Amino acid sequence: GIQVEQSPPDLILQEGANSTLRCNFSDSVNNLQWFHQNPWGQLINLFYIPSGTKQNGRLSATTVATERYSLLYISSSQTTDSGVYFCAAYAGNNRKLIWGLGTSLAVNP
Amino acid sequence: DSGVTQTPKHLITATGQRVTLRCSPRSGDLSVYWYQQSLDQGLQFLIQYYNGEERAKGNILERFSAQQFPDLHSELNLSSLELGDSALYFCASSVGDNNYGYTFGSGTRLTVV
Repeated sequence: GIQVEQSPPDLILQEGANSTLRCNFSDSVNNLQWFHQNPWGQLINLFYIPSGTKQNGRLSATTVATERYSLLYISSSQTTDSGVYFCAAYAGNNRKLIWGLGTSLAVNP
Repeated sequence: DSGVTQTPKHLITATGQRVTLRCSPRSGDLSVYWYQQSLDQGLQFLIQYYNGEERAKGNILERFSAQQFPDLHSELNLSSLELGDSALYFCASSVGDNNYGYTFGSGTRLTVV
């Protein structure tokens, strides 16, 4: 099945800094999503982005399907951005969403 | 409040026991997904139901079973519990069955002792 790898595994930022999180996948995908899990465990869907670029406030995501990667950009980071960012994908008719192990982000004031 | 309700929030039980986790989806959502999150394996997809029917199955153990009822709430039954079943169990819901647009519940933390 598809493999999903995220980098870096851990990231520490000062408030106001920008960052880029990467998600590599082993096969062509027709479903690629980014999620955020806050320090209290709540999971939130950020983007559904099988291809192209989307923006939502200070967050944006780009998926280059032909090169099998997706990037999540966080600009002007805030302490509330802390938590774990996951990407997840599936390929073809396999409807099982496969999740990466996440990037753990800590934003310090 | 995400609109997806999971109960109970915490559960402590002994090995060999059986428990039932409950999920009420967001109003209007027809799909329910169950996930297991453990420290060493990340998030694992267990099973999806759409409007009462099983739609997709992940690496769900035979000791585990689920169903979605006519009112669209879902239950995940875990039996013959083992220490390794200790994890966070999340339910998510979505309008369609296309596996995106999830809204997650706050999870049930299961501890098997």
